[in-house]
Formats: sequence, structure tokens, C-alpha cells
Amino acid sequence: RKEVEQDPGPFNVPEGATVAFNCTYSNSASQSFFWYRQDCRKEPKLLMSVYSSGNEDGRFTAQLNRASQYISLLIRDSKLSDSATYLCVVNSGYSGAGSYQLTFGKGTKLSVIP
Amino acid sequence: DAGVIQSPRHEVTEMGQEVTLRCKPISGHDYLFWYRQTMMRGLELLIYFNNNVPIDDSGMPEDRFSAKMPNASFSTLKIQPSEPRDSAVYFCASSPTMAALDPQHFGDGTRLSIL
Repeated sequence: RKEVEQDPGPFNVPEGATVAFNCTYSNSASQSFFWYRQDCRKEPKLLMSVYSSGNEDGRFTAQLNRASQYISLLIRDSKLSDSATYLCVVNSGYSGAGSYQLTFGKGTKLSVIP
Repeated sequence: DAGVIQSPRHEVTEMGQEVTLRCKPISGHDYLFWYRQTMMRGLELLIYFNNNVPIDDSGMPEDRFSAKMPNASFSTLKIQPSEPRDSAVYFCASSPTMAALDPQHFGDGTRLSIL
């Protein structure tokens, strides 16, 4: 099983639609979770952190399910500007060797269509 | 505020040549990360530094890759000799701490093409 797995998409949705992405992770000791956004030919940028109780930022809602080891991102009222690749990121903290383990998923591509 | 600065933005060179990528982290950030991104493998962590000291280089693919951080404001990633399969986008990122919810700030990346 891959460490962090995402549906690559693409998700093609009309403006105004609601779209949801899921991401599964394999390390049950993972400590923190993020969604990053990456525009075409640009660098990844933090979209939002994912808290245990779930959190919302405007049209975006992130949720964490530790029992099933997945996180989700919900985008409501999609805008053309939401078109991007969304990367799921898992921080497994420090390993026994003292190294930091941040793992990125390969991303889910979203295209919002007029 | 200046973000993470990488140079060059694009590099095209022939296989066998030495390639040096450069990064200036955000001032005050104690952690610096080098990543490689390809379509096949996604974003992979190559190495990271804490206070200029390499902590984990287990992601460095081969001995042809090396990274240094001579001071808090500069790091290099070197490939010698380069091969076509090294073609990718290389990102540098920095972070102020290793706190669980601390985001990473990425540079614009270097698009490397090895012919």
C-alpha cells in the first residue's frame, strides 16, 4: 500500500458544483495533515491544515478520519480559479532515527468548467 | 517579504554535465528541504537540513546527488554527472520550525532538462 494515496482525477466539474477529494494514508502514527494546492507549472502552496475535529475555511472544508486513515477536502460553489492540483500531505513526525517524515500524495487534478 | 528564492528557473544541459541548483530560504527559517517532482513519482523529499546540518538524506537517489548548506541563507543541490532520468522540477522549501502544523514555503522551482 502506498503511503499516501489520492485519486489522480481529473475531476471536471461545472462552476458552482460541489466536489470532494479523498486521500488515504498508511501510517497510523501520522500526526498532522494538510492540503496543498499546486497550479500548473507553479510551486505547491498550503491551502489548509486538517484538524481532528474538522475545519472550514470559506468554501473549503477539511475532515480527518483517523479510524479509517483518510482525510477529505470538500469544495463548495466551485470557481474557475479553483482549477488546480490538490496535494494531500501527511506528517508522520519523527521516526526512531530522528528523521522527519512528510509525505506528499501525487495530487488530484481539478478542472472547473464555465 | 521575500519568499524562498531558487536559481536558475530553467536549466537545460547535456548528460554527463555537472548541474548546480541554488536556494535561499526565508530568513529565520531553521529548516530547509529539497524536493524533486515528476509526473511518475510526484513530489519526493530528497534531503532536509536543520540549522545548516543535513538531518536526513535517505531520499537522495544516488551518489551522483549531493547537497550542502554552508550557511543559513544558502543551499545547493548538485548532480554530477547528470543523466536524462534526472529531468524533473526541483523545489526548495523552508520552514521556521518542525512544529506539527508548520507549513512549508516553497520556491518557484528549477525545471531541469537533461538531454
